[in-house]
Amino acid sequence: DQQVKQNSPSLSVQEGRISILNCDYTNSMFDYFLWYKKYPAEGPTFLISISSIKDKNEDGRFTVFLNKSAKHLSLHIVPSQPGDSAVYFCAASGMRFGAGTRLTVKP
Amino acid sequence: DAGVIQSPRHEVTEMGQEVTLRCKPISGHNSLFWYRQTMMRGLELLIYFNNNVPIDDSGMPEDRFSAKMPNASFSTLKIQPSEPRDSAVYFCASSLGATQLNYGYTFGSGTRLTVV
Repeated sequence: DQQVKQNSPSLSVQEGRISILNCDYTNSMFDYFLWYKKYPAEGPTFLISISSIKDKNEDGRFTVFLNKSAKHLSLHIVPSQPGDSAVYFCAASGMRFGAGTRLTVKP
Repeated sequence: DAGVIQSPRHEVTEMGQEVTLRCKPISGHNSLFWYRQTMMRGLELLIYFNNNVPIDDSGMPEDRFSAKMPNASFSTLKIQPSEPRDSAVYFCASSLGATQLNYGYTFGSGTRLTVV
């Protein structure tokens, strides 16, 4: 039972443009959400989070938006850089992860 | 701090053999998690411990899988007998408390298991 879904397995964008990664969830009881970034041969590392009482959280080039009515959140990266190329995981209430989206930023 | 330490980094074993994966969490962290990463299902939570006690093992796929945390600085995930479909990357993570809004969990580098 996938409570957290990332429906796009991959995304490719040009350097300098915006990257938008999406995540949907089914359980309205989730009270916070996190995004992790994962490079090959490494474990995921925490990137940014948002509480369910907010609809936006920003940290430098990274912004997470939460739409509770749609049970949807998104991660925006502006501007995208080649070093952002990684797999991004969405997680709900800490423990439940999506399948990940592989982002490739082309120079 | 050395972070979460997992061993071995790679394990290749034959079907039917017992496999033991090891994890040393960050000192002071009281929650420990085991995850399995596959292409199809992404990161699946297998089990988590709080203060060395298993709290939720509903993600453990079947009785062939078992996990222990005998003390605050060590945990094992055992598969007996192993099967080819167990091939995946297994991650251990730790945190101070199960809910970590501001910092998330700290993951180890994972153990890549291949069962042939």
